[in-house]
Amino acid sequence: GAGVSQSPSNKVTEKGKDVELRCDPISGHTALYWYRQSLGQGLEFLIYFQGNSAPDKSGLPSDRFSAERTGGSVSTLTIQRTQQEDSAVYLCASSLSLAGREQYFGPGTRLTVT
Amino acid sequence: GENVEQHPSTLSVQEGDSAVIKCTYSDSASNYFPWYKQELGKRPQLIIDIRSNVGEKKDQRIAVTLNKTAKHFSLHITETQPEDSAVYFCAASMGDYKLSFGAGTTVTVRA
Repeated sequence: GAGVSQSPSNKVTEKGKDVELRCDPISGHTALYWYRQSLGQGLEFLIYFQGNSAPDKSGLPSDRFSAERTGGSVSTLTIQRTQQEDSAVYLCASSLSLAGREQYFGPGTRLTVT
Repeated sequence: GENVEQHPSTLSVQEGDSAVIKCTYSDSASNYFPWYKQELGKRPQLIIDIRSNVGEKKDQRIAVTLNKTAKHFSLHITETQPEDSAVYFCAASMGDYKLSFGAGTTVTVRA
């Protein structure tokens, strides 16, 4: 079946602009995660959605970052007033449930802020 | 929060030899430890995982060991092949969902 998809695959934006990144999880997966991977670094947790529960936003680096998940499926990560340090690959993952735990990753969106 | 450290950062092995990557974690409540493989330009993919009620798990040429007392876990790849060349990430989570990742190990298998 279809895996996790993300769009766009690449995004170049000017400093100060807002960007929206989209994630389509695997159908039926109730949990959705956003991570950030800077060049040569590990994955940094940003935010987590599980069903209708309030999201865990504890990993968001600043109030310029926000995310929403509509209808329990598609999620968008929004970065306002982008800064050069926001340049990274943004990865989305989904999993069946807390019990399932295996997280399936999307291909990522490479964001470059010039 | 959980802090995961991973060593070495780079590892070069001769084809056919073994590779070992070690990780330590800080929170004794962590109970799920997956390993992900990320090939250049591709998404991370789960290769093996272990839960805290198990000390060792093996899947063909890869194995993971967990020492809860010492709070460390290791990935072992035997009979390495060129296609094993990739970046490997360990991770830990505490009974729920949020994975804390190590910084990664770049493994190069020399033919």
